[in-house]
Amino acid sequence: RKEVEQDPGPFNVPEGATVAFNCTYSNSASQSFFWYRQDCRKEPKLLMSVYSSGNEDGRFTAQLNRASQYISLLIRDSKLSDSATYLCVVNKGAPARQLTFGSGTQLTVLP
Amino acid sequence: GAVVSQHPSWVICKSGTSVKIECRSLDFQATTMFWYRQFPKQSLMLMATSNEGSKATYEQGVEKDKFLINHASLTLSTLTVTSAHPEDSSFYICSARDLGLAGAYEQYFGPGTRLTVT
Repeated sequence: RKEVEQDPGPFNVPEGATVAFNCTYSNSASQSFFWYRQDCRKEPKLLMSVYSSGNEDGRFTAQLNRASQYISLLIRDSKLSDSATYLCVVNKGAPARQLTFGSGTQLTVLP
Repeated sequence: GAVVSQHPSWVICKSGTSVKIECRSLDFQATTMFWYRQFPKQSLMLMATSNEGSKATYEQGVEKDKFLINHASLTLSTLTVTSAHPEDSSFYICSARDLGLAGAYEQYFGPGTRLTVT
């Protein structure tokens, strides 16, 4: 079983749509959680951290359920510029604090 | 904001040659840098953790004699792919953690180096 699992997609949605991505992780000792965005042939960039209480940044909402080891990302009113691959990322904690990446979910927002 | 650079951004080399990739933290110090590899349509896979002044820690299945890592200063780590073969063609990305942010988990990524071995 992969440490971080995501639905690979692709998700093709019209502009303005709401889209949700899900992610599960296997290591219950994981310390922190993130969503990264990766554009084609570019490095990943941090989109947002994910907290147990849930957090929102503009059109993006992230949720964490530690009991279920489940992370989600909701994008509202999607824009063409949201087209990218979204990576669910989990941190293993001390001492190395290594990041483990999911395989990514590809999103294409259509005009 | 924290900036990490990589050089070169892309390289094409012949099979059997060695390639060195540099990773620099430009505006912060990093005791720990990470090297990842990403094949097309796959996720980033951690290759090794590079610690300043000490030997790198390699992930299972990564040959330390083939992927030489040197972390000589708090702002520079290098990855040398020795005797490269076509199967080593990949996107190599480094990341660094800011020493100044105690307890920080966030890593800052370099722009990546695309290696093609012919």
